[in-house]
Amino acid sequence: GNSVTQMEGPVTLSEEAFLTINCTYTATGYPSLFWYVQYPGEGLQLLLKATKADDKGSNKGFEATYRKETTSFHLEKGSVQVSDSAVYFCALSVYNQGGKLIFGQGTELSVKP
Amino acid sequence: GAGVSQSPRYKVAKRGQDVALRCDPISGHVSLFWYQQALGQGPEFLTYFQNEAQLDKSGLPSDRFFAERPEGSVSTLKIQRTQQEDSAVYLCASSLVRSQETQYFGPGTRLLVL
Repeated sequence: GNSVTQMEGPVTLSEEAFLTINCTYTATGYPSLFWYVQYPGEGLQLLLKATKADDKGSNKGFEATYRKETTSFHLEKGSVQVSDSAVYFCALSVYNQGGKLIFGQGTELSVKP
Repeated sequence: GAGVSQSPRYKVAKRGQDVALRCDPISGHVSLFWYQQALGQGPEFLTYFQNEAQLDKSGLPSDRFFAERPEGSVSTLKIQRTQQEDSAVYLCASSLVRSQETQYFGPGTRLLVL
């Protein structure tokens, strides 16, 4: 079946530290991969996405590369800010399976000044 | 433009009561999805509409859960005879078409069953 596994949180970093949140997946078809972010008190927002192998999604200084050989889509940012504190969700959808998103369990990030 | 809206934002129900949760998608969006998010977990798919047609309801946890979108716009998720395990945040999302298009999420309805 289809599933997503993320590293467990919470992750606590100091401002300007390097961030990596690991995400691996299994899929029966050919997936698109997504990172969604949920800021405190707000709804889920798309952060970035990649639709085919070796694509790199990027937004707001965050990047993730679709690695088919390792079935991974790790999220990285070179220098985090306090405002990046949120819960991050990795997700996939498989072509011709209706577009439903399969989410990981989420990773809470807390950035301290 | 306006995003996805959901109402009510919070709902407290006594066990056994019926509840109805409303979703107003972004105007013109063909696809509409419902997800259930338990505390500390990622959202889980419940059901999917393309216009008024419910194409996938494989995620509905029991026959107490029912969703409709009669005119291809507003959708209602109904839960009959609520149980404590139904307590969760119910998220609605819409997208222009389907399959790998970006889904835009509403703020969710937080349901607490006592």
